[in-house]
Amino acid sequence: QVQLQESGPGLVKPSQTLSLTCTVSGGSISSGGYYWSWIRQHPGKGLEWIGYIYYSGSTYYNPSLKSRVTISVDTSKNQFSLKLSSVTAADTAVYYCARGRGDTAMVNWGQGTLVTVSS
Amino acid sequence: QSALTQPASVSGSPGQSITISCTGTSSDVGGYNYVSWYQQHPGKAPKLMIYEVSNRPSGVPDRFSGSKSGNTASLTISGLQAEDEADYYCSSYTSSSTLYVVFGGGTKLTVL
Repeated sequence: QVQLQESGPGLVKPSQTLSLTCTVSGGSISSGGYYWSWIRQHPGKGLEWIGYIYYSGSTYYNPSLKSRVTISVDTSKNQFSLKLSSVTAADTAVYYCARGRGDTAMVNWGQGTLVTVSS
Repeated sequence: QSALTQPASVSGSPGQSITISCTGTSSDVGGYNYVSWYQQHPGKAPKLMIYEVSNRPSGVPDRFSGSKSGNTASLTISGLQAEDEADYYCSSYTSSSTLYVVFGGGTKLTVL
């Protein structure tokens, strides 16, 4: 069974860069066929897709965040990462990593990690 | 404003059936059979309940069913149980705005 686990700082200062890593176990990112996504959920709100990376390194980002987002993959560690630059309080959210299919179904999710942007 | 529109809340009594709607456009829900539904309990990650409009992943009870008509998809839960009380989100592939997937705003299901 594929499992995902987010890790990274829970507190980030305004204007700095939010960095999170998702470690995948029980399956290999390199095997292909899946789109490794980051999704966030503002407190008490709905879900917002941030972007995905394919094992080959191809990326696709939400246009509303594209100028600030970078998603990368390290297949040797079976991890993929999120960087979100120039954060503000509006970026405070629970961040999830997820394994998605071509039909956009997110079949596996990490437990989520709360990132608070505050000085 | 979410790309897909869901009712904020629905409720039902144990044993009853409820339906949650998810309305989009021809660029998403209406144009593709790539609608998914997720269940989210408080403090937990979403769980995939339905994919490709009406398919259930292994382990999801057959009380959960999905359908689509035009630009509106629906999730029906029959034989409501207390543990079904949760937030439910729909999502769809979209061909607009270079997005990959859009979500609904979520529906809070209360089991009375």
